[in-house]
Amino acid sequence: NAGVTQTPKFRVLKTGQSMTLLCAQDMNHEYMYWYRQDPGMGLRLIHYSVGEGTTAKGEVPDGYNVSRLKKQNFLLGLESAAPSQTSVYFCASSYDGGAGETYEQYFGPGTRLTVT
Amino acid sequence: EDKVVQSPLSLVVHEGDTVTLNCSYEVTNFRSLLWYKQEKKAPTFLFMLTSSGIEKKSGRLSSILDKKELSSILNITATQTGDSAIYLCAVINFGNEKLTFGTGTRLTIIP
Repeated sequence: NAGVTQTPKFRVLKTGQSMTLLCAQDMNHEYMYWYRQDPGMGLRLIHYSVGEGTTAKGEVPDGYNVSRLKKQNFLLGLESAAPSQTSVYFCASSYDGGAGETYEQYFGPGTRLTVT
Repeated sequence: EDKVVQSPLSLVVHEGDTVTLNCSYEVTNFRSLLWYKQEKKAPTFLFMLTSSGIEKKSGRLSSILDKKELSSILNITATQTGDSAIYLCAVINFGNEKLTFGTGTRLTIIP
């Protein structure tokens, strides 16, 4: 049982390049999330998904797109990377307790992205 | 806009000391408050608190929620160097699948 995994672990991009971060979970969780973490800013939600085929915007969605084609995978795309997107990106997933209730989120190990 | 504030921002203590970390919140329809510990990588779950006044305990860590004061505390007794980490507080609303995180408290334990 691997939990939540993320690939890649590290990446350096030049401004304007594109990339996709992959998140996978093997806990059969309905909900999945993408966060970014910057010094002094805590964890900020980029996009999230409440089930296969659905996505929604979080607190800081600009410059990112996501897709949830399979329940176990949640992809985060950067179409044209900017230096402001230098950050550590975390994926998380959580169980659906029913009636709109979720429980604790389980986090992946993170991806450190640098945009030069 | 939902808001979670943690204090202090950072704390340095000696091994064996007891520490208290604070979290206060302003949210629209509070359901639960969660504490996470973040060492070098991913945050790991510590506690989820939903009812006021009921202490949750795990070893040397304990936490309690005060819904009247819109706050929670996390206590760590007999601290060890392995307790050095960033402690994150987050809240979740009813009918909302999202967590709102505070900026965290960086705890450093000196041997």
